[in-house]
Amino acid sequence: NAGVTQTPKFRILKIGQSMTLQCTQDMNHNYMYWYRQDPGMGLKLIYYSVGAGITDKGEVPNGYNVSRSTTEDFPLRLELAAPSQTSVYFCASSPSGGQFFGPGTRLTVL
Amino acid sequence: GQNIDQPTEMTATEGAIVQINCTYQTSGFNGLFWYQQHAGEAPTFLSYNVLDGLEEKGRFSSFLSRSKGYSYLLLKELQMKDSASYLCAPTSTGGGNKLTFGTGTQLKVEL
Repeated sequence: NAGVTQTPKFRILKIGQSMTLQCTQDMNHNYMYWYRQDPGMGLKLIYYSVGAGITDKGEVPNGYNVSRSTTEDFPLRLELAAPSQTSVYFCASSPSGGQFFGPGTRLTVL
Repeated sequence: GQNIDQPTEMTATEGAIVQINCTYQTSGFNGLFWYQQHAGEAPTFLSYNVLDGLEEKGRFSSFLSRSKGYSYLLLKELQMKDSASYLCAPTSTGGGNKLTFGTGTQLKVEL
């Protein structure tokens, strides 16, 4: 099992550009999550999904969108990148209980 | 709502024992996770407590008191590789199996 994979590892965006952060898990987990982590801070939940076709907002959803068309994939979309979205983004999945994290995407918006 | 409190930083000596405390106020509390996060890496699971008491797993142990809203992570025989951030994450019975993470305790292990 590859576990939770994320692409890209690093990305630099210009203000106003858009991009999609990819997340895939091969553990057949129902639950999936997107977090952002700013330097020296805790993880903040952006969006989560309890299964294919079902998504819901977390603590900091503004400026982001998600979709969950399959159990495996949970992409995160940034439509109009802003400097405040500079952060490290982690995707996680869970069968229930503990969450398994991907390696993260380090995003810089200039 | 959620309120989680951990010390920001701790320093300990290699070979020693350190206890990292976490207090929380969580509506519909269900259980509490501890994660370890090395700099520049993803968090990794350490322990999960649902019932009151101590759970031991090798050099790491975790304690929970549900009535006091209190947990601690105990690290024994500290090694340099234990230098990392330790995240306390209570979970609630609300939908989505969501965790709320504290800001973490940055542990530095010195010679």
